[in-house]
Amino acid sequence: EVQLVESGGGLVQPGRSLRLSCAASGFTFDDYGMHWVRQAPGKGLEWVAGLTWNSGNIGYADSVRGRFSITRDNAKKSLFLQMNSLRPEDTALYYCAKQYYRGAFDIWGQGTRVTVSS
Amino acid sequence: EIVLTQSPGTLSLSPGEGATLSCRASQSVLSDYLDWYQQKPGQAPRLLIFGTSSRATGIPDRFRGSGSGTDFTLTITRLEPEDFAVYYCQHYDPSPPQGTFGQGTKLEIK
Repeated sequence: EVQLVESGGGLVQPGRSLRLSCAASGFTFDDYGMHWVRQAPGKGLEWVAGLTWNSGNIGYADSVRGRFSITRDNAKKSLFLQMNSLRPEDTALYYCAKQYYRGAFDIWGQGTRVTVSS
Repeated sequence: EIVLTQSPGTLSLSPGEGATLSCRASQSVLSDYLDWYQQKPGQAPRLLIFGTSSRATGIPDRFRGSGSGTDFTLTITRLEPEDFAVYYCQHYDPSPPQGTFGQGTKLEIK
């Protein structure tokens, strides 16, 4: 079964760091680009960061550039999001997603919740 | 930076009716990079349409995508009860990777 499972979310104080993980199974992980997308409570979807299959091309949303870092370990079929200098506005459900055709995301995890609050 | 504007914000219709959802880009985008997602409460988004008009695996043919340039449309014919959800359009720029979602259209039962 094709699956993405996120972990690492939780409650963290402003200014602190958190590292999210996404474990992939059921497909050839290193064939595909991977992405993080977040959704603040009651709000829409926001693309956060993405990278190509070999990490050769990486991009970030303006809202997180310089604070977040996306990486992958193809041997472990895992995607990561290192989040530093967290702000209350980073509070959201964070999804990892597999890239399919061009930029479409065909497989999504169930998300891991991040709450930034003192 | 491309901005996607979806309209209407909320669409109230009855099962059996047809729905037309709009997504307008702030500048012309390549059709290959315009996609549509459906999200139901408590669930992850689901890919419906990729490359403007291709249906994803398992998506029924009552969902149809069309458009070009700056104007794109998701049409749902003969609404089923399970179609009532929030719909998002998305544009992706591959170099460097950059994704943009519209703000969503909520399709609710009238």
